[in-house]
Amino acid sequence: GAGVSQSPSNKVTEKGKDVELRCDPISGHTALYWYRQSLGQGLEFLIYFQGNSAPDKSGLPSDRFSAERTGGSVSTLTIQRTQQEDSAVYLCASSLANMAGPEQFFGPGTRLTVL
Amino acid sequence: KQEVTQIPAALSVPEGENLVLNCSFTDSAIYNLQWFRQDPGKGLTSLLLIQSSQREQTSGRLNASLDKSSGRSTLYIAASQPGDSATYLCAVVAGGSTLGRLYFGRGTQLTVWP
Repeated sequence: GAGVSQSPSNKVTEKGKDVELRCDPISGHTALYWYRQSLGQGLEFLIYFQGNSAPDKSGLPSDRFSAERTGGSVSTLTIQRTQQEDSAVYLCASSLANMAGPEQFFGPGTRLTVL
Repeated sequence: KQEVTQIPAALSVPEGENLVLNCSFTDSAIYNLQWFRQDPGKGLTSLLLIQSSQREQTSGRLNASLDKSSGRSTLYIAASQPGDSATYLCAVVAGGSTLGRLYFGRGTQLTVWP
């Protein structure tokens, strides 16, 4: 596609429910990243995928968070038993390859609100 | 752990002024530095990417410099316009085991008034 797309753009859920956020990277990009932007916290890294290598999950805040990337393309970030502190904008980015720092391109984000 | 700081946190200027936004990072072992723009309620738009071997990059009215040894970058905006109003974010890709992830500053919120 022309750019990174994410869905849904907005998600409101009740505390304790599970949510799935989707990211479609730019076609041909082998690296995919998830970040979170919380009010007053800035942008923080969550997880990244590079080709067939094991993902770097070092930024996931708890075991309620997980992500997968199917077929080296679309990625889903799942948050189980959501809490109010999970409310944030979740941003996905992709890049051509993870070597020597390629440019990362971001999607519009999913705004998650946990009531 | 890499830490990125941006100064000032906010800036309000009249149209036409030349601006300098500052970014500093604690670990000079970076692969690149990227400047982004974020409009309210929107995602990030990449403005400039400077590889660690480069000193500066230019795009239109924007010029970004990198001094890796001192851990500093500046984004220069010439002849500012109201349409430049946004939050500007600086981010670095650190080397080693964290290769790939971006470390972000908190941003500079820029307002350019007519």
